Amino acid sequence: DIQLTQSPSTLSASVGDRVTITCRASQTVVTWLAWYQRRPGQAPNLLIYKASTLESGVPSRFSGSGSGTEFTLTISSLQPDDFATYYCLQYYRYSWTFGHGTKVEVK
Amino acid sequence: EMQLVESGGGLVQPGRSLRLSCTSSGFTFSDYAVSWFRQSPGSGLEWLGFITRTPSGGTTEYAASVKGRFIISRDDSNSVAYLQMNSLKTEDTGLYHCARGRVEMATVPGIWGQGTVVTVSS
Repeated sequence: DIQLTQSPSTLSASVGDRVTITCRASQTVVTWLAWYQRRPGQAPNLLIYKASTLESGVPSRFSGSGSGTEFTLTISSLQPDDFATYYCLQYYRYSWTFGHGTKVEVK
Repeated sequence: EMQLVESGGGLVQPGRSLRLSCTSSGFTFSDYAVSWFRQSPGSGLEWLGFITRTPSGGTTEYAASVKGRFIISRDDSNSVAYLQMNSLKTEDTGLYHCARGRVEMATVPGIWGQGTVVTVSS
């Protein structure tokens, strides 16, 4: 299976901060990578697919980049709703795999 | 409103079976792939498998951890997908979600249900 390593595992930030989360794959996933946001008690919410395409309805402060084995999710200006856990998912090869998550918490 | 609702979770003994349902509304169910996921206590998200949209054959793929024990199926006439879980183990305990492809031709999950809890314990 393709392993995804997310960093950091926890990130302390303030409203207005620029936040970057990294996801590294153990082998290439080309651009078949998605990012999800998960708030406590809620279902995951798709933010980005195909590494850099913003899902419809997702605020433009979220962006994704990368290809091959290295990817980033950036939040340009953190908002109160953004304190949550973020996961990357590779859907290039079976079994699909997730990163272990990055919790964005209040500094 | 497009939504998915999981049901069928509960407490079950190791070695027994359980069937989860994923009931959809607000869209043409047969046009979408459906995936199943779980999150075990203290762990991250795990993909379990999916079934493609019916026009693409309704074929299935499974994670190695559940292949041979779990079966995914769909009943398009009732807009429901199922996860049949057999030979359950304590490590199958978790919150189980179904999700729909983000658009008709995509498998990447777009809309998720809130989940149903499965507890495997004697």
